[in-house]
Amino acid sequence: QPVLTQPTSLSASPGASARFTCTLRSGINLGTYKIYWYQQKAGSPPRYLLRYQSNSDKQQGSGVPSRFSGSEDASTNAGLLLISGLQSEDEADYYCAIWFSTAWVFGGGTKLTVL
Amino acid sequence: DVQLLESGGGLVQPGESLRLSCVASGFTFSNYGMTWVRQAPGKGLEWVSVISGNGGGTYYADSVKGRFTISRDNSKNTLHLQMNSLRAEDTAVYYCAKDQCYSTSCPDYWGRGTLVTVSS
Repeated sequence: QPVLTQPTSLSASPGASARFTCTLRSGINLGTYKIYWYQQKAGSPPRYLLRYQSNSDKQQGSGVPSRFSGSEDASTNAGLLLISGLQSEDEADYYCAIWFSTAWVFGGGTKLTVL
Repeated sequence: DVQLLESGGGLVQPGESLRLSCVASGFTFSNYGMTWVRQAPGKGLEWVSVISGNGGGTYYADSVKGRFTISRDNSKNTLHLQMNSLRAEDTAVYYCAKDQCYSTSCPDYWGRGTLVTVSS
């Protein structure tokens, strides 16, 4: 089972909200890790969006709008990326990542379609 | 502004070597770890390696351990990735990234990448 699991795809309408999940493998405690989120548009390098560990330990990336936010779902051991007021320009792949043991681990990524 | 510019990519045959470089500007280079991440065509992001700010600590993905070597020259604000015994599965765009952290990966700025193609 992978360290981080992300749904392959997500669709939402302009103006709506999107909720991305990044589920940590069973036995890996969500609260122990800072979860990083990245956005990658087609043909471009990844862009750092934010980091979230708890409500008191979080960071927004430089220039990232406040409609992007991080959270957690302890009941499913998942980190969350929330985007409100979706815009067509938000269409991209979204990756989560953590430092686990001696490696930086990415989730498989979620492709967001805004339609 | 933070800027990262990779170079050194190209087409090589299996078993050959290649050295990637990444010139950094806009921040105090020696204060931050630096990371290499790659992305095979049509695939997701794969972490490759990280080096600490002073170069004294390194980590590698299992897929490249023993074949790739990360290094840095803080006097020239330059990061390197020496890639030996290249395989077809190493074909990817290689990104260098500045880390928020000193000795582990936690990238917050990325270069535009350099393409490495391994093919006979």
